[in-house]
Amino acid sequence: DARVTQTPRHKVTEMGQEVTMRCQPILGHNTVFWYRQTMMQGLELLAYFRNRAPLDDSGMPKDRFSAEMPDATLATLKIQPSEPRDSAVYFCASGLVDLISNQPQHFGDGTRLSIL
Amino acid sequence: SQQGEEDPQALSIQEGENATMNCSYKTSINNLQWYRQNSGRGLVHLILIRSNEREKHSGRLRVTLDTSKKSSSLLITASRAADTASYFCATGHTGTASKLTFGTGTRLQVTL
Repeated sequence: DARVTQTPRHKVTEMGQEVTMRCQPILGHNTVFWYRQTMMQGLELLAYFRNRAPLDDSGMPKDRFSAEMPDATLATLKIQPSEPRDSAVYFCASGLVDLISNQPQHFGDGTRLSIL
Repeated sequence: SQQGEEDPQALSIQEGENATMNCSYKTSINNLQWYRQNSGRGLVHLILIRSNEREKHSGRLRVTLDTSKKSSSLLITASRAADTASYFCATGHTGTASKLTFGTGTRLQVTL
């Protein structure tokens, strides 16, 4: 079965360091989502792309977070500088979306990020 | 804020019993989806029900949708230990181009 692949699976780093998380969406999917999951806030949508163009990044702290899709096989989420409050599990999901209806999203297994 | 609120927050049952989870939402939707998350893993899509549908089945899963009450329920029949996971509802809205808003989840524990 096709899967969304996220790397790294775990990341521990010190406050102030740059963190880059990568996602390989399922081939042929035209929409990519980035989520953050914490115990307190649950699952939050940070940003999403359609055909590599950013559609909505209103859930993302703009001063330190950035999301890009350099090509159709790679999405990245960067945090610079990182802070302890960024500690969370970050998920990437992809889907094949048309203008008529919502379709299921396919999730990767996440990057568990710990900022010391 | 979270659109969907699941109830109960946690549920513990024995294998073979049925499990029912409920989801309430606040604004009009065009579809509602249920996902499962095993510990340490990503969410897995279970079932999608559109706003003009009232009930849907998939294997041991049964989902109902009541748009007048802005609520949905997920029933897992004849539960198994492997059903132990967190279950989330997610709502999709007209004009939001595939964006989903996830609820807070129900943690289901199925014991032998």
